[in-house]
Amino acid sequence: GAVVSQHPSWVICKSGTSVKIECRSLDFQATTMFWYRQFPKQSLMLMATSNEGSKATYEQGVEKDKFLINHASLTLSTLTVTSAHPEDSSFYICSARDRMGQYEQYFGPGTRLTVT
Amino acid sequence: GDSVTQMEGPVTLSEEAFLTINCTYTATGYPSLFWYVQYPGEGLQLLLKATKADDKGSNKGFEATYRKETTSFHLEKGSVQVSDSAVYFCALSDLGNTPLVFGKGTRLSVIA
Repeated sequence: GAVVSQHPSWVICKSGTSVKIECRSLDFQATTMFWYRQFPKQSLMLMATSNEGSKATYEQGVEKDKFLINHASLTLSTLTVTSAHPEDSSFYICSARDRMGQYEQYFGPGTRLTVT
Repeated sequence: GDSVTQMEGPVTLSEEAFLTINCTYTATGYPSLFWYVQYPGEGLQLLLKATKADDKGSNKGFEATYRKETTSFHLEKGSVQVSDSAVYFCALSDLGNTPLVFGKGTRLSVIA
């Protein structure tokens, strides 16, 4: 149990275009989902916390107009990178907290974004 | 605020060697503690957890004990394998819906 999927697993896009990444909890309901960004050989940087049915809470320094987060249901959150630039290339990881669980988060496999 | 400090890597060990990765934390409350593992090109997987003092989490031969008196949660394995090569993250969670606080990660390479 407690599986989180991400789609796509990798994507290459051209500079100036937008990319949407989906995060789904497959066998549990997640009232809260988190979006992280990871640079090569570094730790995870929390970008935002997403609660179902409400606006996401962004960490300091993360542009909310550039990284649009929608948490429309208890099993789906999306991250849209708008007007992507090469510096947005990164590994994006989502995680979900089981509404019945105790503090642990289940992570998706990650999405590698390359902007050319 | 809450924080996690873990030993800097990379750590390189020979197969069947003993592994210790140190992790200490600071927290205002009584956090739950976690070890996550990230294999190359993949997301994070929960390795083990402990929710209260003196609890021992264990999985796949790895162990860690929640030591409140030393605010530590060191990861150990008696005999590592090449397949254990990965990045290991120590993390804590203090309150209901707050995100995990991660250490910087420790890269482990096990050579045959």
